[in-house]
Amino acid sequence: SQQGEEDPQALSIQEGENATMNCSYKTSINNLQWYRQNSGRGLVHLILIRSNEREKHSGRLRVTLDTSKKSSSLLITASRAADTASYFCATDAAGTASKLTFGTGTRLQVTL
Amino acid sequence: DVKVTQSSRYLVKRTGEKVFLECVQDMDHENMFWYRQDPGLGLRLIYFSYDVKMKEKGDIPEGYSVSREKKERFSLILESASTNQTSMYLCASRGLAGPSYEQYFGPGTRLTVT
Repeated sequence: SQQGEEDPQALSIQEGENATMNCSYKTSINNLQWYRQNSGRGLVHLILIRSNEREKHSGRLRVTLDTSKKSSSLLITASRAADTASYFCATDAAGTASKLTFGTGTRLQVTL
Repeated sequence: DVKVTQSSRYLVKRTGEKVFLECVQDMDHENMFWYRQDPGLGLRLIYFSYDVKMKEKGDIPEGYSVSREKKERFSLILESASTNQTSMYLCASRGLAGPSYEQYFGPGTRLTVT
């Protein structure tokens, strides 16, 4: 079952612009994580936000979490061509044993 | 540098063959996972293991089995490969908590069943 659903499915922006991706989920969570996947490769962890946190920063990444709306957003500021990838949210649901559930992903294209 | 390796990047097998996909991690992680990834469907969990010789079904276990005889190695087995098992297979590992809470992924195996 898909816990996280990303929106939009695809996003195309120019270098230097900001990119925002959204994730909605269905059940209570312990934490929510964002991952990045370059074409045809494995996923790489970007950032984790716990259920009692509302916002977190890491370099050019900003993640927000609204547990009342069961939603999260990932903002990439001043995007670069190298940010072109697919981005996935993953939820660590309360009561589950070490199991993450991934969404369907947002494909980001950053053009020069 | 942490590492999850998978035995093959690309694999082509015939319908009905028994297929083994191997995954090895060097981080002493307790948890290991097998996912398949298909366009438009994201990552779907096939099986996971939280300890040696322990396994649990994920969301789509049908047609698959797993083996974890050693902590560092988690194998996915397709007992009789079928064309609908053509997919990208991703292995991941994860520690129990704290700094090792993120999942580390292998590079993936693209399996084609003809």
